[in-house]
Amino acid sequence: GAGVSQSPRYKVAKRGQDVALRCDPISGHVSLFWYQQALGQGPEFLTYFQNEAQLDKSGLPSDRFFAERPEGSVSTLKIQRTQQEDSAVYLCASSLARRGQVNTIYFGEGSWLTVV
Amino acid sequence: AQSVTQLDSQVPVFEEAPVELRCNYSSSVSVYLFWYVQYPNQGLQLLLKYLSGSTLVESINGFEAEFNKSQTSFHLRKPSVHISDTAEYFCAVRQTGGKLIFGQGTELSVKP
Repeated sequence: GAGVSQSPRYKVAKRGQDVALRCDPISGHVSLFWYQQALGQGPEFLTYFQNEAQLDKSGLPSDRFFAERPEGSVSTLKIQRTQQEDSAVYLCASSLARRGQVNTIYFGEGSWLTVV
Repeated sequence: AQSVTQLDSQVPVFEEAPVELRCNYSSSVSVYLFWYVQYPNQGLQLLLKYLSGSTLVESINGFEAEFNKSQTSFHLRKPSVHISDTAEYFCAVRQTGGKLIFGQGTELSVKP
């Protein structure tokens, strides 16, 4: 596709429910990032993939958060046993990651998660 | 660790007035700096970036930002704003490995 595509755009989950958020990066983009953006805040880094390898997961807030990118393209962010503090917009981003270059990072429109 | 501070959470301004959105960063290494814009219910769009070279960088819609190493700043300016510039603006610094560290954002509200 032309841009980073995320689904669902909006998700309402009951507390304790598991959710899965999907990201389809720009075709050919090697690097993929997940960010969490709480209301009125800047995006906070969650995790980073280069192809299928998860190189940095230092931003995942707890072991209830899990991300995967098994074939190096589509990625899924899974949140188990959701809690109210998980309510946020989850942004996916991708970039080319050409060696020796600072590549532009392109963002999707986000998945808006509300936990009730 | 690198960090970004946006000094103003909200900036109200009248149409056709000039505006400056302030951004300061902390870093002990070479920096790559970015401004992203977020319109309501949309994702982040790159507005402009500083990687190297000229310290003044411009966007296609009239915004500009100046990298000032001595003041560790990367303020965003526009000489005359439009209603359509109303949005949230985020300053970011790129960390080693490629991830971006964002500021808290500045809400620009342009009034007629």
